[in-house]
Amino acid sequence: GNSVTQMEGPVTLSEEAFLTINCTYTATGYPSLFWYVQYPGEGLQLLLKATKADDKGSNKGFEATYRKETTSFHLEKGSVQVSDSAVYFCALSDQEGRRALTFGSGTRLQVQP
Amino acid sequence: ETGVTQSPTHLIKTRGQQVTLRCSSQSGHNTVSWYQQALGQGPQFIFQYYREEENGRGNFPPRFSGLQFPNYSSELNVNALELDDSALYLCASSFSGLAVYEQYFGPGTRLTVT
Repeated sequence: GNSVTQMEGPVTLSEEAFLTINCTYTATGYPSLFWYVQYPGEGLQLLLKATKADDKGSNKGFEATYRKETTSFHLEKGSVQVSDSAVYFCALSDQEGRRALTFGSGTRLQVQP
Repeated sequence: ETGVTQSPTHLIKTRGQQVTLRCSSQSGHNTVSWYQQALGQGPQFIFQYYREEENGRGNFPPRFSGLQFPNYSSELNVNALELDDSALYLCASSFSGLAVYEQYFGPGTRLTVT
């Protein structure tokens, strides 16, 4: 079955530092890949997506590239802000059928001023 | 455009009781999926409803059931509550038929079973 593995947190960075959160996946076929963000006390917000190999998803300064050869979708940001503090979830869905999302366990990011 | 809404926000129940959670999908969406998020974990897929019928289920027992109504809103029902059912329950709506299948989440219902 499908599975997603994320680096464990918390990840603690100073403001303006470079961020990488690793994500690897196992799936049959060609899944779509997503990053969701969850701020304290809130639901999940879609941050970015990629639907085929070598696609780069980007939003709000965050980027992730769909690497089929390494089955990875690492999240990066060049300069984090305190407001980026949240839990980040990597997820995949099948391209067909019910397309239920399979999530990783989440990585908590703490950005200090 | 109205986003996904869920009610209630918080709920406390006793083991063995039954609970109903409600979700209103985003305008224009015809599919609703439910997820359970235990503390410190990623969400787990419970089931999905499309055209008022269940369209797939995750690894959850039959005491988890649901409904979808003609206006695409949905209910999640859990019978014979157990302590392990304590979690954040998330509803996500989407539009089946698009090439890229994006799910948009509500704020969740926090269920505590004592």
